[in-house]
Amino acid sequence: EAGVAQSPRYKIIEKRQSVAFWCNPISGHATLYWYQQILGQGPKLLIQFQNNGVVDDSQLPKDRFSAERLKGVDSTLKIQPAKLEDSAVYLCASSLTGTGVAEQYFGPGTRLTVT
Amino acid sequence: ELKVEQNPLFLSMQEGKNYTIYCNYSTTSDRLYWYRQDPGKSLESLFVLLSNGAVKQEGRLMASLDTKARLSTLHITAAVHDLSATYFCAVGNDMRFGAGTRLTVKP
Repeated sequence: EAGVAQSPRYKIIEKRQSVAFWCNPISGHATLYWYQQILGQGPKLLIQFQNNGVVDDSQLPKDRFSAERLKGVDSTLKIQPAKLEDSAVYLCASSLTGTGVAEQYFGPGTRLTVT
Repeated sequence: ELKVEQNPLFLSMQEGKNYTIYCNYSTTSDRLYWYRQDPGKSLESLFVLLSNGAVKQEGRLMASLDTKARLSTLHITAAVHDLSATYFCAVGNDMRFGAGTRLTVKP
C-alpha cells in the first residue's frame, strides 16, 4: 500500500514570498490533516478535511495560510506571504475516517526554510 | 484550551533498563495517541487508546490510559538502542501534541 506522498521535500524561500505544498493521501482515506512542526516541538494541527469539507481550521493563520482539498483527494497548503517564523516542517497525514478512532498515517513532510 | 504536558522531555537510558514516560492533559478526553519520530523522519503511529483503563503493548513498549487522572504512560521494558527516538503523545479530536520526549538508549 502506498503511503502519504508530499512534495516538495525541501523548500527555501525569502520572506514575503509565496509557497505551496502538495499532499496525496492514502487511497480511500477520507480525512486529511495538515500539521506544522517547528524544530524541537510537537506537531500543531493546522487544518483537517473530511472529504473536501473543512472540519477544523481553528489553528490556521488565515491571514496568510490557505488550504484546499478539491475533489476530496489531493490537497494543497499555501502560505502567502511567508514570514521567518513559518520555517518548519509541514506534515500531511490521512486516516480512513475522521472520528478520531482511526490511526493517522503521516507523510515524509516538507521542510520549509524562510530567509 | 487543552494543554498536553509530557515528561521527561529528555531521557537517557542504559540498555536493559526500564522507564516510564508520562503524558498529562488538562481537559477531559477519551482518546489519546502515541507516536514515534526518528530524527529527520516523519511520525509513526504506535498506539491509539480509546477508553479509561485501556492498555496496549507492542514489543518492549506498553501504553496505558487513565482518563480520570488525565494521564497516559508509555512504559519501556528492557530498553534497546533501536528505541532511541522522540516519543509524542497527542490528545483529543483536534490532536493536541505534547512537546515530545527525546529518548536516547546507550549501550
